[in-house]
Amino acid sequence: DQQVKQNSPSLSVQEGRISILNCDYTNSMFDYFLWYKKYPAEGPTFLISISSIKDKNEDGRFTVFLNKSAKHLSLHIVPSQPGDSAVYFCAASEGNKLTFGGGTRVLVKP
Amino acid sequence: DTAVSQTPKYLVTQMGNDKSIKCEQNLGHDTMYWYKQDSKKFLKIMFSYNNKELIINETVPNRFSPKSPDKAHLNLHINSLELGDSAVYFCASSHSGGAETQYFGPGTRLLVL
Repeated sequence: DQQVKQNSPSLSVQEGRISILNCDYTNSMFDYFLWYKKYPAEGPTFLISISSIKDKNEDGRFTVFLNKSAKHLSLHIVPSQPGDSAVYFCAASEGNKLTFGGGTRVLVKP
Repeated sequence: DTAVSQTPKYLVTQMGNDKSIKCEQNLGHDTMYWYKQDSKKFLKIMFSYNNKELIINETVPNRFSPKSPDKAHLNLHINSLELGDSAVYFCASSHSGGAETQYFGPGTRLLVL
């Protein structure tokens, strides 16, 4: 019973273009959403978050959008850079309990 | 200046053995966690401690026992290791027990033969 789903296991994008990663959730009690980036053999690194009371949060090249009625969030990376190539995990929080999606592997081609 | 550190980074052991993984954070956080990333790459919460008290205990075999000697440390002891315990174990910490950003360690890769 996956409460957080990332339906695209991989994404390939040209350098300089926009990367859009999607995440769907089922639990309406989630109140905080995060995106983590993970390189091989390293731990997940926090990227950006959004509270359930907002619909958009921006930090430099990264923007997260939240559509509560659709139980959907997305991460936009623009412009994409080769160093962005990694696995991106969506996570949703109920209290301090984080539930993770399965990840999307992003490859940014030079 | 490592924020969340874990030792060892790699652990290869035989079935039936008992092993421990250590975690330390120097962020001054009150809450620490253990996650397991299985072969399908899903990250799942196992335990959470807030100020040395257990606050989350997911459906985990009782062969797994977390121990928090102080709020900067959360160790994981595993008894009678089984093949299915092979995974990457991540420690994390956050400022408080609410909806906070969690910061992860580098992971411990456990292989049970």
